[in-house]
Amino acid sequence: QSMETQPPSASGTPGQRVTISCSGSSSNIGSNIVNWYQQLPGTAPKVVIHSNNQRPSGVPDRFSGSKSGTSASLAISGLQSEDEADYFCAAWDDSLNGYVFGAGSKVTVL
Amino acid sequence: QVQLQESGPGLVKPSETLSLMCTVSGGSVSSYYWSWIRQPPGKGLEWIGYIYHSGSTKYNPSLKSRVTISLDTSKNQISLKLNSVTAADTAVYYCARDSGSFDYWGQGTLATVSS
Repeated sequence: QSMETQPPSASGTPGQRVTISCSGSSSNIGSNIVNWYQQLPGTAPKVVIHSNNQRPSGVPDRFSGSKSGTSASLAISGLQSEDEADYFCAAWDDSLNGYVFGAGSKVTVL
Repeated sequence: QVQLQESGPGLVKPSETLSLMCTVSGGSVSSYYWSWIRQPPGKGLEWIGYIYHSGSTKYNPSLKSRVTISLDTSKNQISLKLNSVTAADTAVYYCARDSGSFDYWGQGTLATVSS
């Protein structure tokens, strides 16, 4: 089950900046780190942001993350066609005592 | 480079037990947490549970009564058993290494529940 709210979709033209929000609660985002995953069609998810705002090696610097209170955001600047994918936020939930994922946001490059 | 590979029967009958295996290469299951995550067709991700290299486990409360995750360090494998399955358990099942984020994933295996 998803316990973090994400917009179902976002879009932009090549070169634009797109931002995806993830709204949670004090038991998940409010007290634990947020990670973001990119899922290209037909493939397994891949982490693009960990620990709220850290980019793994190999992830382009056009991906950035932030967190404030019980919300987090993923921004993609200089949008490229290969960024078209589903994006999921995730965090540990202290009440559930397990991980929760956002429902996912589909990014479309127009 | 750490690689994970899920395997198991693609078709399971309702009320039976789904059994999947995740084989890890390029790294040892004797470190880190190892999770199972599933994704119903066209839907989002659901965390099923994890096992620590010590053998301790934690499960999603919504599945806890039906799930068992275990570790075979000699074979470098993590297994998942989900019993009393229904059509709602039809999904792609992924295993993933948890280092604070799910940093390595298998390619996933589709398990369909149908008679």
